[in-house]
Amino acid sequence: KQEVTQIPAALSVPEGENLVLNCSFTDSAIYNLQWFRQDPGKGLTSLLLIQSSQREQTSGRLNASLDKSSGRSTLYIAASQPGDSATYLCAVFNNAGNMLTFGGGTRLMVKP
Amino acid sequence: GAGVSQSPSNKVTEKGKDVELRCDPISGHTALYWYRQSLGQGLEFLIYFQGNSAPDKSGLPSDRFSAERTGGSVSTLTIQRTQQEDSAVYLCASSRGGRNGYTFGSGTRLTVV
Repeated sequence: KQEVTQIPAALSVPEGENLVLNCSFTDSAIYNLQWFRQDPGKGLTSLLLIQSSQREQTSGRLNASLDKSSGRSTLYIAASQPGDSATYLCAVFNNAGNMLTFGGGTRLMVKP
Repeated sequence: GAGVSQSPSNKVTEKGKDVELRCDPISGHTALYWYRQSLGQGLEFLIYFQGNSAPDKSGLPSDRFSAERTGGSVSTLTIQRTQQEDSAVYLCASSRGGRNGYTFGSGTRLTVV
């Protein structure tokens, strides 16, 4: 059974800092990995999708990397802003079966 | 539509009543998921539909929960005889296929009083 872990569970940083969010998964047989953002009381917004054959994806100030063999992904946020404050979730889609498995999330607060 | 649409956005119901939650996936998306997110908790898989195949119901927590997907499009999640522990945000997602990633709706916040 796939298990996804996100560290840290919560993070508070001053505005302008570069930061890294970590995601690890136990079963490396994945189709892809997706990072989402969730604002309080809202649904999930997709940030980046990395296919199993890819090493990284970039969108603006966000960069996500994937090391499938070691079961790890990182989300790098450059020059953080208060508007980046949200919960960040990673989810993996397995080769076997149809399950999209989520980590517990990292709750990020960026202070002005 | 342009995104995944869920209705109602909020639902307050009395314990013991039945509720129906609706999900309109993105047109052409063959895969549809329901997840549940309890307060302060992660996302819990409930049920998965793929095209005309039999749904994967392995995540439904009890036989009070059921879901259907009509015509391969709109899905309804039904909770019978609601309990207070059913209070959560119910999220729906759709996809053209696993490799294409998933798009989530804004969710339905269910409160059982």
